[in-house]
Amino acid sequence: GAVVSQHPSWVICKSGTSVKIECRSLDFQATTMFWYRQFPKQSLMLMATSNEGSKATYEQGVEKDKFLINHASLTLSTLTVTSAHPEDSSFYICSANDRRPPVSYEQYFGPGTRLTVT
Amino acid sequence: SQQGEEDPQALSIQEGENATMNCSYKTSINNLQWYRQNSGRGLVHLILIRSNEREKHSGRLRVTLDTSKKSSSLLITASRAADTASYFCATDVKGSNYKLTFGKGTLLTVNP
Repeated sequence: GAVVSQHPSWVICKSGTSVKIECRSLDFQATTMFWYRQFPKQSLMLMATSNEGSKATYEQGVEKDKFLINHASLTLSTLTVTSAHPEDSSFYICSANDRRPPVSYEQYFGPGTRLTVT
Repeated sequence: SQQGEEDPQALSIQEGENATMNCSYKTSINNLQWYRQNSGRGLVHLILIRSNEREKHSGRLRVTLDTSKKSSSLLITASRAADTASYFCATDVKGSNYKLTFGKGTLLTVNP
């Protein structure tokens, strides 16, 4: 149980275009989803927290107009990288958990999406 | 800034040996979690230890938590080549609304 999927697993796009990444909880309802980015050989950096039906909360230094997050349902959150540039190339990982009682602290992670901007 | 700092940054051992990784953090936590990541893949949750717990076991894994020293350790016993991966500690900081802050990770290589 507690499976999170991401689509696509990898994507190559041209500079200036937008890319949408989907994060789905397959067998549970995710009230909260988190988006991270990870550069090669580095740790995960939290970009934003999204709660179903409300606006995402972005971490300091993350441009909300560049990284659009939508969490329209309890099983789907999307991250859109707008006007992508080569410096946006990274590994993007989502995680999800269910905040309804009984609350579980565990976050379930997706397999990640490798974005390469040329 | 990073909440957790793991050491060592890299560890290379022979199959069958034990591997110990340490994690230090700076502020009060609700819990601390350890994750494994194979190269280019997502994260696999290994174990969660709550702030009022001192030790937890899961199979070949043993995690300790010392809140007075703000540190945790992950011990993998009888290591296997398949344990080769990066290991991260992540802290659920009090008052952070369940956000996880990850350490820099330890790259473990288990040689056959």
